[in-house]
Amino acid sequence: QQPVQSPQAVILREGEDAVINCSSSKALYSVHWYRQKHGEAPIFLMILLKGGEQKGHDKISASFNEKKQQSSLYLTASQLSYSGTYFCGTATSGTYKYIFGTGTRLKVLA
Amino acid sequence: NAGVTQTPKFQVLKTGQSMTLQCAQDMNHEYMSWYRQDPGMGLRLIHYSVGAGITDQGEVPNGYNVSRSTTEDFPLRLLSAAPSQTSVYFCASTRTSGATTDTQYFGPGTRLTVL
Repeated sequence: QQPVQSPQAVILREGEDAVINCSSSKALYSVHWYRQKHGEAPIFLMILLKGGEQKGHDKISASFNEKKQQSSLYLTASQLSYSGTYFCGTATSGTYKYIFGTGTRLKVLA
Repeated sequence: NAGVTQTPKFQVLKTGQSMTLQCAQDMNHEYMSWYRQDPGMGLRLIHYSVGAGITDQGEVPNGYNVSRSTTEDFPLRLLSAAPSQTSVYFCASTRTSGATTDTQYFGPGTRLTVL
């Protein structure tokens, strides 16, 4: 079953913050975050591992709550280039299967 | 270093036709996978491979076949195309040792329409 992302869509003004959540019904080993521009392939943002620390680079960071099987992506001081659809990709222990979330469409306005 | 390449970029088929989508990577990655993405939807795993000669099914394998005779190539075969297989197909690769902990690199996609 696909992880559920929330919100489904969000519109921001440049400089505003956003949080995207990814929730799974299965015990997760790792969570990956990707951004996809229209008509393009997904681009990797970051990976969070079970037992690992919160990660981030520049103004994008993420956390992984193992007890709740949830991950959150934090976008700070959003830029126009942040527009796109964000997907979480999840993997459970002992499997090589990635299962992607339902996606969150994010649009940043000037 | 070309990364992950896919051919063709666009394809139109008639119902019942068969074809092979090509995927190749030059990063010596053991793990390769195929996804389909329907309009406004997320990516769904079709098949994956953890090395030459080893393949397994993903979430939506019906109507598709794969084989992995070399590390570099992972073709996806549509046996008898149906309109429900109209989609964008992405191939991806990563190192097997980090199949669930490393970056997946995606190809540019193949846009398939079945009439």
